[in-house]
Amino acid sequence: GAGVSQSPSNKVTEKGKDVELRCDPISGHTALYWYRQRLGQGLEFLIYFQGNSAPDKSGLPSDRFSAERTGESVSTLTIQRTQQEDSAVYLCASSLVLGSEQYFGPGTRLTVT
Amino acid sequence: GESVGLHLPTLSVQEGDNSIINCAYSNSASDYFIWYKQESGKGPQFIIDIRSNMDKRQGQRVTVLLNKTVKHLSLQIAATQPGDSAVYFCAENMVREGMRFGAGTRLTVKP
Repeated sequence: GAGVSQSPSNKVTEKGKDVELRCDPISGHTALYWYRQRLGQGLEFLIYFQGNSAPDKSGLPSDRFSAERTGESVSTLTIQRTQQEDSAVYLCASSLVLGSEQYFGPGTRLTVT
Repeated sequence: GESVGLHLPTLSVQEGDNSIINCAYSNSASDYFIWYKQESGKGPQFIIDIRSNMDKRQGQRVTVLLNKTVKHLSLQIAATQPGDSAVYFCAENMVREGMRFGAGTRLTVKP
């Protein structure tokens, strides 16, 4: 596609449920990043993927968070046993190579009730 | 610890005036900075970047200034328009950690 797409755009879930967020990067981009943005705050880095290398998980806030990427395509961010503190906008970005300009998707707004 | 932050959380300007948004960083080893614009309900959009071997870089109506001595970054918007109303983030490219963003400055342009 022309840009980074994310789905769903909005997700409301009950505390304790698992959620899966999807990101489709720009075709040909080898690097993919996940960020979290709480209301009124800046972006918090979660994880990045570069090609077929093992992902850097240093930013994941807890072991309830995990992410996968198949080759250089779609990525999913999974949050298990969601908590109210997980409520935020989850943004995905991709770049041609690691460290080059990142292009962001519109985000998924997650609300945990 | 190291951080990237913004001096002012809000800025209000008259249409047609110039806007200056400031950013302080504390990691003296940082060599690449980016300004992003984020409109309500949308993801951040790249505006302009600058590497540490430069002091100034100009784009269309925007200029970024880098002062490495005091670790300060600024974004200047000329002839500010209503469409410029958004939250502006400065970001420090950590490469292996993605980008480290500040809290953002909300720019409001009054007609």
